[in-house]
Amino acid sequence: LAKTTQPISMDSYEGQEVNITCSHNNIATNDYITWYQQFPSQGPRFIIQGYKTKVTNEVASLFIPADRKSSTLSLPRVSLSDTAVYYCLVGAYSGAGSYQLTFGKGTKLSVIP
Amino acid sequence: GAGVSQSPSNKVTEKGKDVELRCDPISGHTALYWYRQSLGQGLEFLIYFQGNSAPDKSGLPSDRFSAERTGGSVSTLTIQRTQQEDSAVYLCASSLTMAPGTEAFFGQGTRLTVV
Repeated sequence: LAKTTQPISMDSYEGQEVNITCSHNNIATNDYITWYQQFPSQGPRFIIQGYKTKVTNEVASLFIPADRKSSTLSLPRVSLSDTAVYYCLVGAYSGAGSYQLTFGKGTKLSVIP
Repeated sequence: GAGVSQSPSNKVTEKGKDVELRCDPISGHTALYWYRQSLGQGLEFLIYFQGNSAPDKSGLPSDRFSAERTGGSVSTLTIQRTQQEDSAVYLCASSLTMAPGTEAFFGQGTRLTVV
């Protein structure tokens, strides 16, 4: 299973761009990279997903280099409501050939006024 | 339903009692996942279902834990003879398929407290 490594915590001021990088050195050919956001007392919520290069949606951008061994979630102009834990996931196949989601420890982002 | 529904939202039980947690996935979603999140910790994968089948049960913490899914829909996670270390939020998620890149939708979780 592909293991992910990301910073435990990050602080940012309101209005700044935040970049959270995730390492996944043993990512497999069929794996996608997905980021989830979790607020306290809530289940995780999908933010963005990509396979390679760059993906952008209304919430964030995801940058994936050619070797796919890392990825960077970019949040433009964060606000206080972006304070949450952000999880990087790499789709992994079990020995049975089935797919399961494997969450890392997550990055706790604190946005400061 | 509109989203993944879990019940109860909160459960307090005495040590040694059995508990049953329920997950109602999004209609039509074939894949269902159970996770556990202890206070201040990340998500710990427990088990997944593809239809009614759970091919890999190795993520369950002990033999006191079991899960089943019937009719390709509702799933129950049962914990027998609960212990204090079982206290956590139990999260359920579902996805349309198990293909790579499929988005999973999470419920709000069941907060289990064993006293």
